[in-house]
Amino acid sequence: GAVVSQHPSRVICKSGTSVKIECRSLDFQATTMFWYRQFPKKSLMLMATSNEGSKATYEQGVEKDKFLINHASLTLSTLTVTSAHPEDSSFYICSARLAGGPQETQYFGPGTRLLVL
Amino acid sequence: AQSVTQPDIHITVSEGASLELRCNYSYGATPYLFWYVQSPGQGLQLLLKYFSGDTLVQGIKGFEAEFKRSQSSFNLRKPSVHWSDAAEYFCAVGGSVRDMRFGAGTRLTVKP
Repeated sequence: GAVVSQHPSRVICKSGTSVKIECRSLDFQATTMFWYRQFPKKSLMLMATSNEGSKATYEQGVEKDKFLINHASLTLSTLTVTSAHPEDSSFYICSARLAGGPQETQYFGPGTRLLVL
Repeated sequence: AQSVTQPDIHITVSEGASLELRCNYSYGATPYLFWYVQSPGQGLQLLLKYFSGDTLVQGIKGFEAEFKRSQSSFNLRKPSVHWSDAAEYFCAVGGSVRDMRFGAGTRLTVKP
């Protein structure tokens, strides 16, 4: 149980285009999902918290107009990287918290590798 | 502010040998502590967590970790490493997901 999927697993795009990444909780409902960014040989940095039916909460230094987050249902959150540039190339990981579950527990997706040319 | 330090960037051990990965933390109160494992190109899988109680915590895949308050440490151990244990290991501390901080990770290489 508690499986989280991400699609696509990897994507290559041209600079200036937008890319959408989906995060789905497959066998549970997630009122809250989280988006992380992981740089090579670095740890995970929380970008934003996505709450179903409301606006996402962005961490300091993360541009909300650059990284659009939509959490339209209890099983799906999307991250759209708008007007992507090479510096946006990274590994993006989502996680989901079980509705009504412990505040400190999250289940991670497998990640999406984004390469912007 | 809370922080996590994993002093070892890369560790190599022989298959069958014992393993200890170090984690030191800074946190204002008694923290929740976690160890995650990440295989190449994959997300993170929870190995074990500590909230309270017995300071020696057992996890999946034969891993254990010991919380030592006096040393602000939460080191991960395994008595006998298998080749499939080769991965990146992350220590994390926090009271909630938004509050959570991850270490920079330790990459484990297992020699045949």
